[in-house]
Amino acid sequence: DTEVTQTPKHLVMGMTNKKSLKCEQHMGHRAMYWYKQKAKKPPELMFVYSYEKLSINESVPSRFSPECPNSSLLNLHLHALQPEDSALYLCASSHGLAATYNEQFFGPGTRLTVL
Amino acid sequence: AQRVTQPEKLLSVFKGAPVELKCNYSYSGSPELFWYVQYSRQRLQLLLRHISRESIKGFTADLNKGETSFHLKKPFAQEEDSAMYYCALNAGNQFYFGTGTSLTVIP
Repeated sequence: DTEVTQTPKHLVMGMTNKKSLKCEQHMGHRAMYWYKQKAKKPPELMFVYSYEKLSINESVPSRFSPECPNSSLLNLHLHALQPEDSALYLCASSHGLAATYNEQFFGPGTRLTVL
Repeated sequence: AQRVTQPEKLLSVFKGAPVELKCNYSYSGSPELFWYVQYSRQRLQLLLRHISRESIKGFTADLNKGETSFHLKKPFAQEEDSAMYYCALNAGNQFYFGTGTSLTVIP
């Protein structure tokens, strides 16, 4: 299995809702990432997990809460979001530090709309 | 500070013409550079990595450390090359993406 999968594909939520985005990979990668991408813009890094530990948090508001239950799974818990948080949320994975090839593999994304 | 610059937001070329998408980087360490492509309604996918010096779909990119550049080139553009292209720098598990170049190949 050489893909990163994300669920759901689309999510519409109100500002008071709590929801979660899920990401899964079975390539044995030890680094996983969350990105936010607005239309016609590059992905913006949000969080990096390395060996299941949060290693980078790019000053993301606390209404976004990441979780890495195991080396194959990555969640992003959402609570009290704002309409400006509407975007495509991308998950990616890579082998991790010290790998020869350390490119990222991206999931298809979850299209989030906050009403 | 690490940074990736793609000076062209939009680039249009005719089918069969050569194409070059520019990328310059700023990094104090030894760079690890990639080109990613995003076709319409598809996921972001790796096109090239500098370390393997490969040619994918006719595209090549050479790392020029003196000019801190990693330009993407193809001698004869095809219509199916129309897409958004991102240059990316890996700085210790932290990936920095350029702002992207939208390439349109005119039939």
